Amino acid sequence: KAGVTQTPRYLIKTRGQQVTLSCSPISGHRSVSWYQQTPGQGLQFLFEYFSETQRNKGNFPGRFSGRQFSNSRSEMNVSTLELGDSALYLCASSSKGATRETQYFGPGTRLLVL
Amino acid sequence: AQTVTQSQPEMSVQEAETVTLSCTYDTSESDYYLFWYKQPPSRQMILVIRQEAYKQQNATENRFSVNFQKAAKSFSLKISDSQLGDAAMYFCAYRSGSDTGRRALTFGSGTRLQVQP
Repeated sequence: KAGVTQTPRYLIKTRGQQVTLSCSPISGHRSVSWYQQTPGQGLQFLFEYFSETQRNKGNFPGRFSGRQFSNSRSEMNVSTLELGDSALYLCASSSKGATRETQYFGPGTRLLVL
Repeated sequence: AQTVTQSQPEMSVQEAETVTLSCTYDTSESDYYLFWYKQPPSRQMILVIRQEAYKQQNATENRFSVNFQKAAKSFSLKISDSQLGDAAMYFCAYRSGSDTGRRALTFGSGTRLQVQP
């Protein structure tokens, strides 16, 4: 079974632009979570989607948004990029999103904001 | 709020030796899950081992085992017979067992493990 895939793997943007990242979960998984990883803040939870509905949200500004499609693929969008948004963005999937389930991570998208 | 603390930013071990990575956590919940994830230079997060809080028996996965001390809120990872491929960042993570509460993983700051040949 194929793992979690994320596209693109690398992105370079400039301040003020917006960006969209994509995540395809493991086949059959319906829950997708997004995390931001930076050297200063470590790994922080952004949001979780299940069956096209946002089920949980972390403490990030409204510039960070996401959505999930009927095939469980998820996208996250960051508008009006700031230098501090430079990070590795990881998505993770699980079958139903139940807390007893393990989350499986994708390879991440590395975003650099100049 | 739950917190996870990894007090060892870096550790080093000789190939074939044993190393233990420390993790402590703070929670008022009784039902939760603990994880160790490995992040090699490729940056892909790979699950190493998981532990259910309600299980007293320590989890093991081949050369990896944990020492779970629930009362002390301690969850250390032991790597036996260390191999060069074990070199990576290791993250300890906590997840609430409640499906109605905070569902996300809470990560520690990580421990960078170097394996010396």
